Amino acid sequence: KAGVTQTPRYLIKTRGQQVTLSCSPISGHRSVSWYQQTPGQGLQFLFEYFSETQRNKGNFPGRFSGRQFSNSRSEMNVSTLELGDSALYLCASRWGQMQETQYFGPGTRLLVL
Amino acid sequence: AQSVTQLGSHVSVSEGALVLLRCNYSSSVPPYLFWYVQYPNQGLQLLLKYTTGATLVKGINGFEAEFKKSETSFHLTKPSAHMSDAAEYFCAVSEIGGSQGNLIFGKGTKLSVKP
Repeated sequence: KAGVTQTPRYLIKTRGQQVTLSCSPISGHRSVSWYQQTPGQGLQFLFEYFSETQRNKGNFPGRFSGRQFSNSRSEMNVSTLELGDSALYLCASRWGQMQETQYFGPGTRLLVL
Repeated sequence: AQSVTQLGSHVSVSEGALVLLRCNYSSSVPPYLFWYVQYPNQGLQLLLKYTTGATLVKGINGFEAEFKKSETSFHLTKPSAHMSDAAEYFCAVSEIGGSQGNLIFGKGTKLSVKP
């Protein structure tokens, strides 16, 4: 079974632009979570989607948003990029909301100049 | 709010030596506990997890961890380090039931293995 895939793997943007990242979960998994990883803050939870609905949200500004499609694929969007948004963005999937184990994709590395 | 503390941001061991990576959590109710490993430029790979039952948990690549409720700890060990174990290791917790979908991670411990 294929793992979690994320596209693109690398991205360079400039301040003020917006960006959309994509995540395809493991087949059959219906829950997708997003995390931001930076050297300073470590791994921080952004949000989780299940059945196309946001179920939980971390402490990030409204510039960070996401959505999930009927096939469980998810996208996250960051508008008005700031230098501090440079990070590795990780997507994780799990079968359902009551399954405890999350499986991570390889991440998208975003560099904001 | 739950938090996870990993003691030591960098740990260096010799090949063949014992690996011990420390993790303590703060929670009045024992959560689910995880160890993940991250190799350079890669995502996170699950090493092992504790949910219920036996407190000594065995994972992949010869790693194991012991849940100690009285010490609120979940330290990761491996009897004999291998060069391929060099990576960053993250301890994480989630609430029992996992309904919140958010893992809370420690800051990570970078393991170096000397030949």
